[in-house]
Amino acid sequence: AQSVTQPDIHITVSEGASLELRCNYSYGATPYLFWYVQSPGQGLQLLLKYFSGDTLVQGIKGFEAEFKRSQSSFNLRKPSVHWSDAAEYFCAVGGQTGANNLFFGTGTRLTVIP
Amino acid sequence: EAGVAQSPRYKIIEKRQSVAFWCNPISGHATLYWYQQILGQGPKLLIQFQNNGVVDDSQLPKDRFSAERLKGVDSTLKIQPAKLEDSAVYLCASSPQPGLTSNEQFFGPGTRLTVL
Repeated sequence: AQSVTQPDIHITVSEGASLELRCNYSYGATPYLFWYVQSPGQGLQLLLKYFSGDTLVQGIKGFEAEFKRSQSSFNLRKPSVHWSDAAEYFCAVGGQTGANNLFFGTGTRLTVIP
Repeated sequence: EAGVAQSPRYKIIEKRQSVAFWCNPISGHATLYWYQQILGQGPKLLIQFQNNGVVDDSQLPKDRFSAERLKGVDSTLKIQPAKLEDSAVYLCASSPQPGLTSNEQFFGPGTRLTVL
């Protein structure tokens, strides 16, 4: 069965510090992987996605993520966090065939302190 | 281009009442999704339409939830009667091509439902 685990419910970082949000997935076939960000009262915005090829993918707002098949992980990183990055971050997995349902993790809430 | 529109943004009802949510996807998008996001959880797919046909409604509690997309554009999600556990944010999303995961899903701002 497909599932996504985000082990960190809440992370607090200082502005300018580096960030890594963890995501582990379980999927029976080759997955498509996504990171979305949700600001309060807003819908989800796609940060980046992995389909195939280079395992290090670049996204918007300076974010990147690395797909590691051996670890079933797709961790999100940013070298220097800005106060505006405070939000909820969701990792999601979908299949390459069939209906394109997305399965989301429970999210990680990021707090940025000055 | 205009994004996915949803209304109302907030709704408070008492249990056993009925409620309806409306979604207008991005113009030209063939696929429309309704998700339920309970506080502290990630979004969960309720139903997926392709044009005006249902692709997947396996997670939709059909005894109380219904959804339609009559002309392949706007969609309405209804709950009748509502239960306390239906309190959640209901997100609508759309994507441009028929049923491919590779297509990005564009999300609306959601409707926050509180059932008292």
